[in-house]
Amino acid sequence: SQTIHQWPATLVQPVGSPLSLECTVEGTSNPNLYWYRQAAGRGLQLLFYSVGIGQISSEVPQNLSASRPQDRQFILSSKKLLLSDSGFYLCAWSKTEAFFGQGTRLTVV
Amino acid sequence: AQKVTQAQTEISVVEKEDVTLDCVYETRDTTYYLFWYKQPPSGELVFLIRRNSFDEQNEISGRYSWNFQKSTSSFNFTITASQVVDSAVYFCALNLGGNEKLTFGTGTRLTIIP
Repeated sequence: SQTIHQWPATLVQPVGSPLSLECTVEGTSNPNLYWYRQAAGRGLQLLFYSVGIGQISSEVPQNLSASRPQDRQFILSSKKLLLSDSGFYLCAWSKTEAFFGQGTRLTVV
Repeated sequence: AQKVTQAQTEISVVEKEDVTLDCVYETRDTTYYLFWYKQPPSGELVFLIRRNSFDEQNEISGRYSWNFQKSTSSFNFTITASQVVDSAVYFCALNLGGNEKLTFGTGTRLTIIP
């Protein structure tokens, strides 16, 4: 069966510090991968999606970047965090329906 | 572009009551897929159902049922005999195919009062 792992679960980072969130998928090959952000009390905003290694599409201009160095690995990064980067970040994979990781709650202070 | 609207921001019902969560979608494509996800307090999104645009047959799964009506572009979700464990945020979503990105509604926060 397929599983998706996302870590860390929570993170508190100072403004201006770098960020790296990692997501890995097991049990499937060549999935579509996604990073979503959910601000407090808000809906889900698609940040990045990838249909293959090295292929990244950005949905909104922002302070973040994504990379897919391996087929089942998706990384969300920032060189310098802003206060507005705080939120709940969810990684997902899909073939037909999408399945989500457990999320990372990021607080930038 | 696709759009999903969940007009109900928050709903509260007493346990054992039935509750319907509304979802209205917009797309110009004739082939599309509709989804419902549940987000419990833990934060993870749990897949509930996927329905394609060519299948308007309503679906029932235990206490959950879904009513898909293309004429009104709606895909409503009903929970029968609600339970406290049903308390969560529920998201409706749409995409244009298996490998396409999902467009989410803003979610409905459902609170079941014991």
